[in-house]
Amino acid sequence: GESVGLHLPTLSVQEGDNSIINCAYSNSASDYFIWYKQESGKGPQFIIDIRSNMDKRQGQRVTVLLNKTVKHLSLQIAATQPGDSAVYFCAENMPPRNAGKSTFGDGTTLTVKP
Amino acid sequence: GAVVSQHPSWVICKSGTSVKIECRSLDFQATTMFWYRQFPKQSLMLMATSNEGSKATYEQGVEKDKFLINHASLTLSTLTVTSAHPEDSSFYICSATPDEKLFFGSGTQLSVL
Repeated sequence: GESVGLHLPTLSVQEGDNSIINCAYSNSASDYFIWYKQESGKGPQFIIDIRSNMDKRQGQRVTVLLNKTVKHLSLQIAATQPGDSAVYFCAENMPPRNAGKSTFGDGTTLTVKP
Repeated sequence: GAVVSQHPSWVICKSGTSVKIECRSLDFQATTMFWYRQFPKQSLMLMATSNEGSKATYEQGVEKDKFLINHASLTLSTLTVTSAHPEDSSFYICSATPDEKLFFGSGTQLSVL
């Protein structure tokens, strides 16, 4: 069936380096994508989103890239800090837009080494 | 961003008892709220969609009589785990949205002894 998946379950980076978390989606009808961050024992938090009519969107220290040709989504975190250690989920939404029906990926655990 | 409050943060109960979890949207009205279950090191699994003033919509495989959902107002949804058993132990999370992106509660860790 249709799914959103992540290439790597874990990622370890040195503090100060840039991090890249990848996500593959399989539903070509998806038109809205979201990245969430979940710290241990807490609920996920919205990080950044992107619509299918865009290729790139930047936030504070984060950038999301969308490649519709290969159905790939990535989250780039600049100058990774210890506070960035968490599990990151990508989610895709299909029209008609209903955020609750977001399909979540398995998650990538990011560990930042001091 | 919008704030969703969830209580309690953790609960321990005896097998056979019922547990109620509350989810509140603090600064927006939510006609729809969502309940998820999450096992350790796994993704979120949507259990049901809570609809204000009407019945909840449950995902396939989720027992309606086990997980009772009530959405009595535009800012409050409750999930009651009835006759809880150890296999119901999990992290339960609610969410709501004032637009398209979801805002999540802090989660409730349920441990059934």
